[in-house]
Amino acid sequence: AAGVIQSPRHLIKEKRETATLKCYPIPRHDTVYWYQQGPGQDPQFLISFYEKMQSDKGSIPDRFSAQQFSDYHSELNMSSLELGDSALYFCASSLPRQGATEAFFGQGTRLTVV
Amino acid sequence: KQEVTQIPAALSVPEGENLVLNCSFTDSAIYNLQWFRQDPGKGLTSLLLIQSSQREQTSGRLNASLDKSSGRSTLYIAASQPGDSATYLCAVRRRAGKLIFGQGTTLQVKP
Repeated sequence: AAGVIQSPRHLIKEKRETATLKCYPIPRHDTVYWYQQGPGQDPQFLISFYEKMQSDKGSIPDRFSAQQFSDYHSELNMSSLELGDSALYFCASSLPRQGATEAFFGQGTRLTVV
Repeated sequence: KQEVTQIPAALSVPEGENLVLNCSFTDSAIYNLQWFRQDPGKGLTSLLLIQSSQREQTSGRLNASLDKSSGRSTLYIAASQPGDSATYLCAVRRRAGKLIFGQGTTLQVKP
């Protein structure tokens, strides 16, 4: 069965650079969530999209932005990178946001800022 | 504000033991609760999903229960194996759909 695909799997950037993370949800899933997991931390919710519109916003820095495209894939854009942005970034997808459905996670993108 | 707490933070058991992981949450207005497994540096694998109207779910050697009124869930692992060693995270789903995670229980099963 198709899963949530994230790319790239690993990314190394220098401070003040820009990074773009991509997420391809499970087919027919129209809701996408982004989470950030720092070393030894639990995943923290960043932002979510439903039907290409932002549906909820969490602790996402102003330096980050995201969008969901017409094919439902999503991109997380991160600018002016800081050392503290080094983390695992997860994308999850699910069926309609109001439904009591299961969230499926991708394998994550490990971002290292040097 | 919803808070999710998992106890214990770490657990080490010999192979073959049955064990219980605990999860508590402060706001009972949830849609569902999911248990995940995470291996070091890896992604989150969904183990069990319990809807707010359900009391428990079973998958193989795993059984998860939910008591929404008291804000508690448990994950029971029967006959533990070294391959079960991982971090187990519980997460509750709110109305807006996002998951709020506990900090996890890191399990080590010794051969």
